[in-house]
Parts: sequence; structure tokens; C-alpha cells
Amino acid sequence: EIVLTQSPGTLSLSPGERATLSCRASQSLSTSLAWYQQKPGQAPRLLIYGASSRATGIPDRFSGSGSGTDFTLTISRLEPEDFAVYYCQQYGSSPRTFGQGTKVEIK
Amino acid sequence: QVQLVESGGGLVKPGGSLRLSCAASGFTFSDYYMTWIRQAPGRGLEWVSYISGSSSSTNYADSVKGRFTISRDNAKNSVYLQMNSLRAEDTAVYYCARWAGGGYFAYWGQGTLVTVSS
Repeated sequence: EIVLTQSPGTLSLSPGERATLSCRASQSLSTSLAWYQQKPGQAPRLLIYGASSRATGIPDRFSGSGSGTDFTLTISRLEPEDFAVYYCQQYGSSPRTFGQGTKVEIK
Repeated sequence: QVQLVESGGGLVKPGGSLRLSCAASGFTFSDYYMTWIRQAPGRGLEWVSYISGSSSSTNYADSVKGRFTISRDNAKNSVYLQMNSLRAEDTAVYYCARWAGGGYFAYWGQGTLVTVSS
């Protein structure tokens, strides 16, 4: 099973700042990685698939990069609605697995 | 628009059974793999099971293999999760999701809470 390790666990930032979230895989995924955003009491929402493709309706302040074992989600300028938990998920092999999440909180 | 609505959650005793349902709309249901994903309280996400559009292929996480069964009824646009021999560690919100592009999850339901407790 592929293990995904997200860092940091918590990111404390102010609105308008840039957020950089990391996801490292225990084996190469090529670009079979997705990112999700989850707010309290809500289902996760797909942000990025294929490591760098934005899902439908996702603002362009969200961008994904990386391949192989190292991936990054960048939020260029944090909006108030972006404070949430973010998960990466690999689909390079079965079983599909998720990282443990990074919480982006208001500083 | 794509909608997924789960139902069937509730409180059940250890060793008991529960059947979750997910009603889908807004897309050609039989064209898509469907999956169940769960999230224990305050914890991360865990993939549970998937089923192909024709029901010819299914797969399960090791943690539920032999206890849970996924099925679907394409005439009713619904997918199900039969959960037997439930344990306290199965307590979670269970989400139904539509599989996309080889295994990420493009659309999610709102979830249904399963609590296993005596």
C-alpha cells in the first residue's frame, strides 16, 4: 500500500498570503495524484487531479505541481473561504489511499 | 447536475448489520464506477470499496474484506453497502462518491453517519 505523508500538519496564515502544502508518496505515482478540500461538516471537494489539472469550477488561485513522489498544492492568495483541511490522494495503485491532511488555519 | 444522496446510517450494536444506500442523479449511472469512502470522527479519509458500472468488478479495503459487500442497481440508479459484523472501529461518516479517471473521486454525497456502540 502506498503511504502519503502530508506536511505540515497545520499551516497558520493570514488572508492574502500564499499557502504551500506538500504531499510525499512512498512509491512513484507518476502524476496519479489528486487534492481535495474539506470544510467542517462538509464532504470533501475535488480541487486537482492528475497532479496539476484543476477540477471544474476551481479558482485559478489553486495550483498543483509535482510528479513521481513529491507533490505540492499552492494557494496563491488565501481567501477567507480557503481555510479548511486539504487531503492528497493517490490513484497510482490499489488500494487508493489518502494523506492524513493539512489544516490551513487563520493566523 | 450530479447529485449523490446517502441514507441508511444510524446506531448499531457491535456485531450488528446495516445497509447503506446511495441514490444518484444527473449522469448516466451505469457508465461509472462508484465507491464508498469513510471518515472516522476527527480523522482522515479511508477508501472502503468500489464497484464497476456493470457490477463485474468489485474491490474492498483489507479492513472490511469479508464483512462488507458493495452492490448496485442500475435500474434504480443506486449503489449499496451491506455492512455485517460491525465493530466499534467502523464508526464513521460514510460517503458515496463517483469514480473518475482511473481512481480519483470527482463527486461526493453529503455522507451518512454510522455509529457502532453498545
